[in-house]
Amino acid sequence: QKEVEQDPGPLSVPEGAIVSLNCTYSNSAFQYFMWYRQYSRKGPELLMYTYSSGNKEDGRFTAQVDKSSKYISLFIRDSQPSDSATYLCAMSAGGNQFYFGTGTSLTVIP
Amino acid sequence: GAVVSQHPSWVICKSGTSVKIECRSLDFQATTMFWYRQFPKQSLMLMATSNEGSKATYEQGVEKDKFLINHASLTLSTLTVTSAHPEDSSFYICSASHRPYQETQYFGPGTRLLVL
Repeated sequence: QKEVEQDPGPLSVPEGAIVSLNCTYSNSAFQYFMWYRQYSRKGPELLMYTYSSGNKEDGRFTAQVDKSSKYISLFIRDSQPSDSATYLCAMSAGGNQFYFGTGTSLTVIP
Repeated sequence: GAVVSQHPSWVICKSGTSVKIECRSLDFQATTMFWYRQFPKQSLMLMATSNEGSKATYEQGVEKDKFLINHASLTLSTLTVTSAHPEDSSFYICSASHRPYQETQYFGPGTRLLVL
């Protein structure tokens, strides 16, 4: 079993839709959770960083962590064509070991 | 926010030559830097982890003599692809850890390497 599972998609939504991206994990020691956005031919960009459980909101983006279910989500409200990218989840128990999902490809259609 | 730069952004070289890629943390000190490789439409593949002033730790299957990593200061790490061959053509991305401030990584923009 992989440490982190992420549906690769592709996911295609109309502009203005709410997007839900998810990852599951198996290691209950993970405490630090991240979402990255990667445009084609670019390095990943940190979108959200969350410690432990709970929600975090930043503009149109909301990150949720449910440690009891080992499940994290990223919600994008009022999606825009510029949100079209690959979204990577990542997590860590601390230290220098990070575990990445394989990424979900999202296309927002104008 | 924390900014990581990479240079060059793309490079084309002849087979057999060596190529050096620089990774810099511009506004923070990075005790740990990571080097990744990414093929088209695939996820990140960790190559090695380097801590300032010590030898890099390479992932299984990554040739340390082929991919030389030096982390000489808290803001600079370099990856040298020695005797490059066409199969080394890829997208190389570095990242820097912002610990202990945050348990996360900030990525550079990547370097596209094409070996002819």
